[in-house]
Amino acid sequence: EVQLVQSGAEVKKPGESLKISCKGSGYSFTSYWIGWVRQMPGKGLEWMGIIYPGDSDTRYSPSFQGQVTISADKSISTAYLQWSSLKASDTAMYYCVRITMVRGAHFDYWGQGTLVTVSS
Amino acid sequence: DIQMTQSPSSLSASVGDRVTITCRASQGISNYLAWYQQKPGKVPKLLIYAASTLQSGVPSRFSGSGSGTDFTLTISSLQPEDVATYYCQKYNSAGFTFGPGTKVDIK
Repeated sequence: EVQLVQSGAEVKKPGESLKISCKGSGYSFTSYWIGWVRQMPGKGLEWMGIIYPGDSDTRYSPSFQGQVTISADKSISTAYLQWSSLKASDTAMYYCVRITMVRGAHFDYWGQGTLVTVSS
Repeated sequence: DIQMTQSPSSLSASVGDRVTITCRASQGISNYLAWYQQKPGKVPKLLIYAASTLQSGVPSRFSGSGSGTDFTLTISSLQPEDVATYYCQKYNSAGFTFGPGTKVDIK
């Protein structure tokens, strides 16, 4: 069974750093792209970026380039999303997704989400 | 970049009604279009990919059509468990973009 299990909720202060994780299981982790999706409170879905754990090829949405860093450790089947200096506007639910490249590309499996709250 | 729009932004329909949601891309995207369902407080779920291919396990009352710039998601007979927000999403070499969502509830 394919599963993406994300790290738990975080409460941080503005200016702090943060790294959240997403562990894949039940499939070949190095053979599928992993993506990150943001959902701000009461808002829609936004694609942030993707990584191919096989070779760490990473692509960012222009909206998030320079704002976050996506990485992966294929030895432990885990992808990461990190911030060096959080802002209140980073408060959101963050989902990791597995991407299947068949006739285009789509997000076929989703993690349970990690709620990040940034508040002074 | 390619922009995605959806209409309507919300709708209310009766159980058993046929419901259609439209998604439009600002440029042609072939059939690289997926639909997702997000029930209140839940994780989004893939319904349809490649514009018209039903994801495994999704009820057959859901269907998708379209190509190029205009796409539709149809629920043939609305059920109470279909209350959700529906998002379209495009894929191209520049990446992924979601539509703003269509909220569906029961009248």
